[in-house]
Amino acid sequence: EAGVTQFPSHSVIEKGQTVTLRCDPISGHDNLYWYRRVMGKEIKFLLHFVKESKQDESGMPNNRFLAERTGGTYSTLKVQPAELEDSGVYFCASSRVEREQFFGPGTRLTVL
Amino acid sequence: GESVGLHLPTLSVQEGDNSIINCAYSNSASDYFIWYKQESGKGPQFIIDIRSNMDKRQGQRVTVLLNKTVKHLSLQIAATQPGDSAVYFCAESNQGGKLIFGQGTELSVKP
Repeated sequence: EAGVTQFPSHSVIEKGQTVTLRCDPISGHDNLYWYRRVMGKEIKFLLHFVKESKQDESGMPNNRFLAERTGGTYSTLKVQPAELEDSGVYFCASSRVEREQFFGPGTRLTVL
Repeated sequence: GESVGLHLPTLSVQEGDNSIINCAYSNSASDYFIWYKQESGKGPQFIIDIRSNMDKRQGQRVTVLLNKTVKHLSLQIAATQPGDSAVYFCAESNQGGKLIFGQGTELSVKP
């Protein structure tokens, strides 16, 4: 069974540019989560999808972040426009039930 | 606000010794706790979990202990091996999928 995959693995952009991160969950997992780890701090929750619906988006920092999961399969997280403080590692996780989340390898975002 | 934190940021042990990684949490309503292991360049890997109606759970070479009275969680690794070197995160959850993570403890195993 393939694990959670994320693309790209690394992204370096300039302040003000737009970046889109992609996450492919484990097949059959209705729950999909986005987290991020900024500047070596703890991993923080961003949002939770159940199929294509946003179950909880309480962790989204501001309206520069837009997450979608059209069709309930893969998800994208777009940052527009990117700011310096958005640099960090963005993780995606998926689960069949609301427990035992399986994480992807992460996307390391650097905003210059 | 609610938080999960780790007592020690780094832990160095000798190969073959037992390791104990500790974690404190503040949300008494949390009902599910998980330990993750993260190796360099990889995402967090699920190790073991425990629900709030239990105080101990064992896996292969790992044991998680939960003390709800003092809101403390620990991960015990038996016969620590070089491959166990990684950053270990505890996380808690309360009636939903959202995980709240601690800062992480870096475990270093000396051969």
